[in-house]
Amino acid sequence: NAGVTQTPKFQVLKTGQSMTLQCAQDMNHNSMYWYRQDPGMGLRLIYYSASEGTTDKGEVPNGYNVSRLNKREFSLRLESAAPSQTSVYFCASSVYRGSLFFGEGSRLTVL
Amino acid sequence: DQQVKQNSPSLSVQEGRISILNCDYTNSMFDYFLWYKKYPAEGPTFLISISSIKDKNEDGRFTVFLNKSAKHLSLHIVPSQPGDSAVYFCAATSGGYQKVTFGTGTKLQVIP
Repeated sequence: NAGVTQTPKFQVLKTGQSMTLQCAQDMNHNSMYWYRQDPGMGLRLIYYSASEGTTDKGEVPNGYNVSRLNKREFSLRLESAAPSQTSVYFCASSVYRGSLFFGEGSRLTVL
Repeated sequence: DQQVKQNSPSLSVQEGRISILNCDYTNSMFDYFLWYKKYPAEGPTFLISISSIKDKNEDGRFTVFLNKSAKHLSLHIVPSQPGDSAVYFCAATSGGYQKVTFGTGTKLQVIP
């Protein structure tokens, strides 16, 4: 049982390059989330999708786009990467009241 | 504007003693609170939660206390074990429970 799977686990980009972080869950959860974790800042919500077909901005959406491709998959795209987007990114899914299941994280470095 | 705050970045406790992790929130609309635990190089895992209609919830060695008037919650771990060494995040949500806001985390070290 895989739970929440994120790819890639590591990525190095140059400023201005684009990339997409992929996330898939096999728990039939309705809600999916993208967070970033930075030292001293905790986990900050980038975007979330309460259900298939809907997406909403979180606390730090600037510079990101998301796609809820179907119930299983929720991708995060950086169109023009900036050094400030160097972070660890976590995807999560939830079926009930904030009890999130997280993936293992994707470490992104933007040079 | 940090709506969920964990003012202690780190905490060290002797094995067998009580660990108390604190969390404050500013948004009075929050009505469901959670604690997550995170080991290095892993995603956070759900630990325990509490609804605003309660002031205490227990699960084994873990107890969460909620003081709504003070907008404060705390996580008690008794007795603390070395395997509890991790970063603990407080989180809160409201309404449709879809948007979950996290605190900055407290790194707990349990010393054998």
